[in-house]
Amino acid sequence: DQQVKQNSPSLSVQEGRISILNCDYTNSMFDYFLWYKKYPAEGPTFLISISSIKDKNEDGRFTVFLNKSAKHLSLHIVPSQPGDSAVYFCAASGSDTNAGKSTFGDGTTLTVKP
Amino acid sequence: GAGVSQSPRYKVAKRGQDVALRCDPISGHVSLFWYQQALGQGPEFLTYFQNEAQLDKSGLPSDRFFAERPEGSVSTLKIQRTQQEDSAVYLCASSLIRAANNSPLHFGNGTRLTVT
Repeated sequence: DQQVKQNSPSLSVQEGRISILNCDYTNSMFDYFLWYKKYPAEGPTFLISISSIKDKNEDGRFTVFLNKSAKHLSLHIVPSQPGDSAVYFCAASGSDTNAGKSTFGDGTTLTVKP
Repeated sequence: GAGVSQSPRYKVAKRGQDVALRCDPISGHVSLFWYQQALGQGPEFLTYFQNEAQLDKSGLPSDRFFAERPEGSVSTLKIQRTQQEDSAVYLCASSLIRAANNSPLHFGNGTRLTVT
């Protein structure tokens, strides 16, 4: 049973518009959430994170929102740029597990059209 | 080096062969992780080292999988008697401090293993 789910395998948006990527989790022990971005033939790179004590974290064009009651988080990219086209992975970790051992979703492929 | 380095980038093995995958973490990084990523899926945890100590190997799928980091730097993931289901990208990641759940991982580019 997948503990971290990204239900949209793909998303296509126009350059300059907002991209919203969603992630749901089931394990209530998760208390830290991260987003990674992956280009083809490269490893994932860290993008942004959020602790469960917060409901929003912003870094430039990227904002992550956390709704603990719904066990849902989302990544907003505003404005979207063609260079943002990549696979985005949501990951979660918990203080009850081996810290740093993250559980990943299956990713959402974002395509930003010029 | 500037980042996590993995070799080889690609490996083709015949079923039943043994393979060894190498990971050079970022210099000074204490924690090292191995993940397996099947096609179309997210990375799945295999094992974790803090320096030379293997603190968690709960994700290793069978006793054919073995990992080591004898001097607390370079790590090797060994797969014995490879099977077709072992075909995947094997990702190594490191982090600077003792693993904490707020410590992002720095990933290498992976080794793509194909078992024929």
